[in-house]
Amino acid sequence: DGGITQSPKYLFRKEGQNVTLSCEQNLNHDAMYWYRQDPGQGLRLIYYSQIVNDFQKGDIAEGYSVSREKKESFPLTVTSAQKNPTAFYLCASSNTGGLNTEAFFGQGTRLTVV
Amino acid sequence: AQSVTQLDSQVPVFEEAPVELRCNYSSSVSVYLFWYVQYPNQGLQLLLKYLSGSTLVKGINGFEAEFNKSQTSFHLRKPSVHISDTAEYFCAVSDKRDGGFKTIFGAGTRLFVKA
Repeated sequence: DGGITQSPKYLFRKEGQNVTLSCEQNLNHDAMYWYRQDPGQGLRLIYYSQIVNDFQKGDIAEGYSVSREKKESFPLTVTSAQKNPTAFYLCASSNTGGLNTEAFFGQGTRLTVV
Repeated sequence: AQSVTQLDSQVPVFEEAPVELRCNYSSSVSVYLFWYVQYPNQGLQLLLKYLSGSTLVKGINGFEAEFNKSQTSFHLRKPSVHISDTAEYFCAVSDKRDGGFKTIFGAGTRLFVKA
């Protein structure tokens, strides 16, 4: 089945550690996105990529990094510079350049600092 | 600048009553509009979308939305809600920029359906 897969579902991070969240899609979509979701704040864009080997900062990129070496994959690293990383992280993908621009979402990764 | 405002953070409603979740947007170009639903600890699922054509859009689970260009609104409605409609609902706006499409989400409206 076509879709978008995030792993792990739950992730615990110690203070000062970097952690990487995985996002893989087999929808042949060009664009991929990372959002952070906090209670009462909706979705905030961290990074997005419209094509392989290119990505742009979203609204809250500080303390995060991404790579887009393959069309199917867009991993997000939460670095130790991110002071409040506990949140629900959602990855999404969409077509670009066409009318059908709806986003397809993964099931999310819940990151907790311990 | 593009923005999306969902006017109600929480909407409580009794089962079988009608509901309207409000969404206003601002954008300087033609837009595409979406409503998504999120159940607890899940990703978002598309309910419906407006790309062009008829301003009344029908989606899944009996939901519909009306695009009003003059009021820059895209309110979501359902004539009779069920307990299973309890979830968070997000309005989103997508427009073309930098050669691609960028999507902005509203803060969400939490719908509580009571028996």
